[in-house]
Amino acid sequence: DAGITQSPRHKVTETGTPVTLRCHQTENHRYMYWYRQDPGHGLRLIHYSYGVKDTDKGEVSDGYSVSRSKTEDFLLTLESATSSQTSVYFCAISDSAGAGSGNTIYFGEGSWLTVV
Amino acid sequence: DAKTTQPPSMDCAEGRAANLPCNHSTISGNEYVYWYRQIHSQGPQYIIHGLKNNETNEMASLIITEDRKSSTLILPHATLRDTAVYYCIVRVARNNAGNMLTFGGGTRLMVKP
Repeated sequence: DAGITQSPRHKVTETGTPVTLRCHQTENHRYMYWYRQDPGHGLRLIHYSYGVKDTDKGEVSDGYSVSRSKTEDFLLTLESATSSQTSVYFCAISDSAGAGSGNTIYFGEGSWLTVV
Repeated sequence: DAKTTQPPSMDCAEGRAANLPCNHSTISGNEYVYWYRQIHSQGPQYIIHGLKNNETNEMASLIITEDRKSSTLILPHATLRDTAVYYCIVRVARNNAGNMLTFGGGTRLMVKP
């Protein structure tokens, strides 16, 4: 398995509180991603990073921010958690991919977040 | 990225081959076909990918039609542990976004004893 560790794996928090999820990789991969998975929606990309301090938005980025100060760590922050952010969050990593290559993306085991 | 169409569910008898189809009729020349699966409560797991040629690894085989508009993932001897949702994804590499993947609904494969 790819060296990806997500923490915490499970968390219950109250509406309005900030929450930070951490993704740590030991593969030295350039690209890191945060997805959320909800019933009926599949996996949706929240934010991604293509290098240290280089990040961009995915399709469902509202209410989330990210930071990447080191290659190995990618943090996802819910600035003020809402019940609609109750979900399973997956971190993923991949190596650099130029045009024409088919490198693989690997996923972590997920972080279950419940906002009450 | 090209859109994919998969049947929502399939059954397969244990020990038999599972053939999971995927249509990607709008695929373009530089788009790869990826297959992932997700076992309940786990992160998606990479299975295989290909561009034009058929591919095989220790987990599965990928058959891509000559016009590349469809593909089939083959699990040669399905076991109960292969019960999962299987995702077919078509993507093109973008230099900044790496391997950003767009997941559709997938096929829920049930392997039965």
